Amino acid sequence: SQKIEQNSEALNIQEGKTATLTCNYTNYSPAYLQWYRQDPGRGPVFLLLIRENEKEKRKERLKVTFDTTLKQSLFHITASQPADSATYLCALAGPEGNTGKLIFGQGTTLQVKP
Amino acid sequence: NAGVTQTPKFQVLKTGQSMTLQCAQDMNHNSMYWYRQDPGMGLRLIYYSASEGTTDKGEVPNGYNVSRLNKREFSLRLESAAPSQTSVYFCASILTSLDRGREQYFGPGTRLTVT
Repeated sequence: SQKIEQNSEALNIQEGKTATLTCNYTNYSPAYLQWYRQDPGRGPVFLLLIRENEKEKRKERLKVTFDTTLKQSLFHITASQPADSATYLCALAGPEGNTGKLIFGQGTTLQVKP
Repeated sequence: NAGVTQTPKFQVLKTGQSMTLQCAQDMNHNSMYWYRQDPGMGLRLIYYSASEGTTDKGEVPNGYNVSRLNKREFSLRLESAAPSQTSVYFCASILTSLDRGREQYFGPGTRLTVT
């Protein structure tokens, strides 16, 4: 079965630094991968989608890479701010064709200290 | 637009009781999903509805039923609640499952405790 892993340990960084979060997956090749942000007590919010034929995607201070050979995605937040503190979820498109189903990782909590 | 709404926000049930979690979206989305989120487990798909009139099982469907009442509404029913169903439940929707519009929009969640 498909397996997706994110670093379960919290990531603590200093304000202004670049945060890098990792998402690794096994057993199949997703057509696309998404990243979501989740704040405590709230539902996840979509951030970025990257397709299997794209190496990199950017949106403002966010950058996502997708290496289908390594089966890994990296999520970068540059010039991080305390407001970026949240849990970030990686999600892969399910293998069952066009159902829109996603398989989520367990998330990595980012804490940005001022 | 309200986006995706869920009711209730909080619920406490006794073992064996039943209840229905309600979800509605006003974005004219085609596909809807129910997830549960437990500490350290991430979001797990319970059921989904790719389009109005269809429903399918996800990863953890046992103990649940769903109804896609119309394009807007997708409800989740617990027929006989068990403590293992204590969780936070999220509903989500997407515009289409085709090439575009695959980002999921989530509701605020329902926090369910079964004693």
